[in-house]
Amino acid sequence: AQKVTQAQTEISVVEKEDVTLDCVYETRDTTYYLFWYKQPPSGELVFLIRRNSFDEQNEISGRYSWNFQKSTSSFNFTITASQVVDSAVYFCALSEASTGNQFYFGTGTSLTVIP
Amino acid sequence: DAGVTQSPTHLIKTRGQQVTLRCSPKSGHDTVSWYQQALGQGPQFIFQYYEEEERQRGNFPDRFSGHQFPNYSSELNVNALLLGDSALYLCASSLEASGRAYETQYFGPGTRLLVL
Repeated sequence: AQKVTQAQTEISVVEKEDVTLDCVYETRDTTYYLFWYKQPPSGELVFLIRRNSFDEQNEISGRYSWNFQKSTSSFNFTITASQVVDSAVYFCALSEASTGNQFYFGTGTSLTVIP
Repeated sequence: DAGVTQSPTHLIKTRGQQVTLRCSPKSGHDTVSWYQQALGQGPQFIFQYYEEEERQRGNFPDRFSGHQFPNYSSELNVNALLLGDSALYLCASSLEASGRAYETQYFGPGTRLLVL
């Protein structure tokens, strides 16, 4: 079974629009971490954020914000006022206490921001 | 502060050959993980090395093996290459702080392997 599901395969938005990338996870652990990474065409995964299962506070960093809801097992990522430089593939990942430092990645969402 | 580096950037091999990929972790990191990313997919965990030993392994055959050196750098070896091994191979490093797991992993640019 897929531990991390990113149902949106591709999204296109016009510059300055807001966009939300969905992430749904599955785990039986009570201790786990969730991550978002950005993968530009160059291929390198760039770390964006880490949240632990005990902290459901939403987080904002500039134009980026994250909404963590344990009740729906979701960890969604919103980009406000999107820019062309935001075009990339975005991955959500899960790490569980029971499986150590192994990361489970979703299949990614390809975001295209049209100027 | 040097990030994670990998070599080579690109590689072309034929079926049945063997390949070695190399990774140097981010400065100060002691744990290295390897991932395989097929086209259009998310990275899949191959294995993780800590204190020069394979600590954890994903669902990959024994054709995939690795090594970690005293300076924390690592190699990924793949024997008897198959066409399906064509992928981007990503190395990630992290710091095993006080034995805690699930530390943030920082990724290198990857090695693109094409098997013909």
